Amino acid sequence: DSGVTQTPKHLITATGQRVTLRCSPRSGDLSVYWYQQSLDQGLQFLIQYYNGEERAKGNILERFSAQQFPDLHSELNLSSLELGDSALYFCASSEGPLVGHKIGYTFGSGTRLTVV
Amino acid sequence: AQKITQTQPGMFVQEKEAVTLDCTYDTSDQSYGLFWYKQPSSGEMIFLIYQGSYDEQNATEGRYSLNFQKARKSANLVISASQLGDSAMYFCAMREGMNRDDKIIFGKGTRLHILP
Repeated sequence: DSGVTQTPKHLITATGQRVTLRCSPRSGDLSVYWYQQSLDQGLQFLIQYYNGEERAKGNILERFSAQQFPDLHSELNLSSLELGDSALYFCASSEGPLVGHKIGYTFGSGTRLTVV
Repeated sequence: AQKITQTQPGMFVQEKEAVTLDCTYDTSDQSYGLFWYKQPSSGEMIFLIYQGSYDEQNATEGRYSLNFQKARKSANLVISASQLGDSAMYFCAMREGMNRDDKIIFGKGTRLHILP
């Protein structure tokens, strides 16, 4: 158990629907990152939050949004879902802006989203 | 332009042999960090090894070592005495900047198959 909890583990939904993916970071970590891994693709960075504030944005579609709550858990909202949104969505966490950075993020086990 | 390039989509290696997974990167920053992650078929992302741009010695972690050639912008992962359990997807990744909070960018990965 990495300490980063993602729910649900699997999600099957229809095109046009909206889903919410949830992430609880490792205890003490203030930063949360969301990544999308499509079939045979590397991880694409979506968005980063630090202590409730959006810190960096990657190639996140306008149909997608995220937030980090005061208790530091984060949610990724995907709306108007398309077949191409089927992917493994990872959440990762880190302590935050510190020098002393030899450890990568701690990843959750991912949410596998299937859009049918 | 791709920041991280992994030119080997797949590799087959005999058990107990050493294997080198290639990675080249592109950055204009002087300060950056390089990572390797392993993703077994179960899907989780496992941190393997880290190399800082200012580190003079190649990083090693058990059977993993990173062959860092800064002038060539190369950060190859070497796995010694490969085992069946090493069969997985391997991702090279980079963080630009020395801030632990900066986002990590991933390559597309190399799928490694260890043959008995």
